[in-house]
Amino acid sequence: GIQVEQSPPDLILQEGANSTLRCNFSDSVNNLQWFHQNPWGQLINLFYIPSGTKQNGRLSATTVATERYSLLYISSSQTTDSGVYFCAVERLKVEYGNKLVFGAGTILRVKS
Amino acid sequence: SAVISQKPSRDICQRGTSLTIQCQVDSQVTMMFWYRQQPGQSLTLIATANQGSEATYESGFVIDKFPISRPNLTFSTLTVSNMSPEDSSIYLCSVGGWTGELFFGEGSRLTVL
Repeated sequence: GIQVEQSPPDLILQEGANSTLRCNFSDSVNNLQWFHQNPWGQLINLFYIPSGTKQNGRLSATTVATERYSLLYISSSQTTDSGVYFCAVERLKVEYGNKLVFGAGTILRVKS
Repeated sequence: SAVISQKPSRDICQRGTSLTIQCQVDSQVTMMFWYRQQPGQSLTLIATANQGSEATYESGFVIDKFPISRPNLTFSTLTVSNMSPEDSSIYLCSVGGWTGELFFGEGSRLTVL
């Protein structure tokens, strides 16, 4: 199956700092999403980004599908950004589906 | 995005018992997905539930242990049978949007003693 690797595994930031999280995947994909899991376990969909660049407030994401990686940028981090960030992908295939394979996640801690 | 409600949100269960988790969606969806997240781990797909047919299980998961029902296009249940402490996890229901995005319920946090 497709492999998804996220880096770094852990990250500690001072409030206000910027960060970049990376997701590498081993095969062509037709679906890539970034999620944030807050400390209470709720998974929030940040970006659906199989290719290109998107921005939403202080967050932005870029996927370079031909090189099989995606980046999530967090600017001016806040303590509420703490949690686990997951990258999830679905291998390119003919039939429709949403069977995402998740990476191991990046644990982010933002200190005030 | 869909609104997905799960019950129970958390429970503490005794070894050997079974627990059924409910997932309700505010709109009709073709496929619903059940994921498991063991403590400190990532998410793993258990099965895909289609209305009107048997669920499709991923490698390592079997129907006898995780029976799934899908009686209509807005509802599904996952039962965790004959539980052991290794089943302590967060179980998450999810549905796909029209554009390919996946949305999750709040999860059901199970602790098995």
